[in-house]
Amino acid sequence: EPEVTQTPSHQVTQMGQEVILRCVPISNHLYFYWYRQILGQKVEFLVSFYNNEISEKSEIFDDQFSVERPDGSNFTLKIRSTKLEDSAMYFCASSELRQGDFYGYTFGSGTRLTVV
Amino acid sequence: DQQVKQNSPSLSVQEGRISILNCDYTNSMFDYFLWYKKYPAEGPTFLISISSIKDKNEDGRFTVFLNKSAKHLSLHIVPSQPGDSAVYFCAASSSGNTPLVFGKGTRLSVIA
Repeated sequence: EPEVTQTPSHQVTQMGQEVILRCVPISNHLYFYWYRQILGQKVEFLVSFYNNEISEKSEIFDDQFSVERPDGSNFTLKIRSTKLEDSAMYFCASSELRQGDFYGYTFGSGTRLTVV
Repeated sequence: DQQVKQNSPSLSVQEGRISILNCDYTNSMFDYFLWYKKYPAEGPTFLISISSIKDKNEDGRFTVFLNKSAKHLSLHIVPSQPGDSAVYFCAASSSGNTPLVFGKGTRLSVIA
């Protein structure tokens, strides 16, 4: 069964450092997403991406965040200058169809980001 | 602003019995509702969905009920099995317009 692959599974970084979280979505999917889950909290939407541009972003996704699809297979989330409160599990997801045409997203296993 | 609420953080059920997980929402624009299951160290996996034109959708042991007037949905698992032990997330979307909005999840423990 096709999978969304995320690397690394766990990243520890110092406050103020830049991190790049990587994702390989399912190859025939067109819509890509980043979500995060702070420990004990709900899964929160960060950004959606379609046709090489951001289609929607939440208020969490400020100027410190950026996304890129550099080579047609990878989908990356960059945090420029990490803060302690960025510590969370970050999930990448992809879907074949727009969010309204529903069979759900396929999520990766997540990257646990720890900012120290 | 919790648009999707799962008020029970945890639920414990005996194997073979019915598990009922509940979810409430506040946004009347939501018209697709989904349940995801999440095991530790894995991402959420899609379980079952329902659109607002239906009030019930069934898939094997899993049934989702939607009560639009009460803005309430529930997931029934019967019979419950130990492998069903996981965190269950309710999620909602308004078609074509918004990304999925998730609740905080309910941890289900099925005891053998």
